[in-house]
Amino acid sequence: GQQLNQSPQSMFIQEGEDVSMNCTSSSIFNTWLWYKQDPGEGPVLLIALYKAGELTSNGRLTAQFGITRKDSFLNISASIPSDVGIYFCAGQLGHSGYALNFGKGTSLLVTP
Amino acid sequence: KAGVTQTPRYLIKTRGQQVTLSCSPISGHRSVSWYQQTPGQGLQFLFEYFSETQRNKGNFPGRFSGRQFSNSRSEMNVSTLELGDSALYLCASSAGADTQYFGPGTRLTVL
Repeated sequence: GQQLNQSPQSMFIQEGEDVSMNCTSSSIFNTWLWYKQDPGEGPVLLIALYKAGELTSNGRLTAQFGITRKDSFLNISASIPSDVGIYFCAGQLGHSGYALNFGKGTSLLVTP
Repeated sequence: KAGVTQTPRYLIKTRGQQVTLSCSPISGHRSVSWYQQTPGQGLQFLFEYFSETQRNKGNFPGRFSGRQFSNSRSEMNVSTLELGDSALYLCASSAGADTQYFGPGTRLTVL
């Protein structure tokens, strides 16, 4: 599978700040997904995007499916300490199965 | 609905042994995928099963295999374990052309 380019690799911010991370690929995808993973646990789905240009929110989280279908970004507004974790983007073609291609993750640390 | 469950949660094996991991998908989900997560390589797709048939396979050696049963439960097997097989093995289930939901994973340590 193809590895997606996710940036930044890590972020260290203060509580209340906004956060932005993005993911790019050399190939197009039909679905973009954003997951959060806590230590020792499996990734938890945050937001799913199914159409190019789509902008979707989930509470303080907002994500967009890039118009070229080769990128996506995730914004977290007014960060809180429980936002700490590793955030992964994942792209899926979905034509003949549901294999996900993942980015390497963005590690987020939030100080009170 | 109960989430994806994986057993065991932790496993310690020695080189050369084989191991079988189990995954029970969310009720009604027919697609089960397996991923390997390591610090160096990140999350990598192993294979996907749908209605007892392997539909996709990632770039892993033949020592990694899997199967799916008629109740959608899935197992993956790794034979002749190597030190580099130490990883968190994650199972994900899906209802269709939709999102995938992950289990907590099985932490495999090969000594």
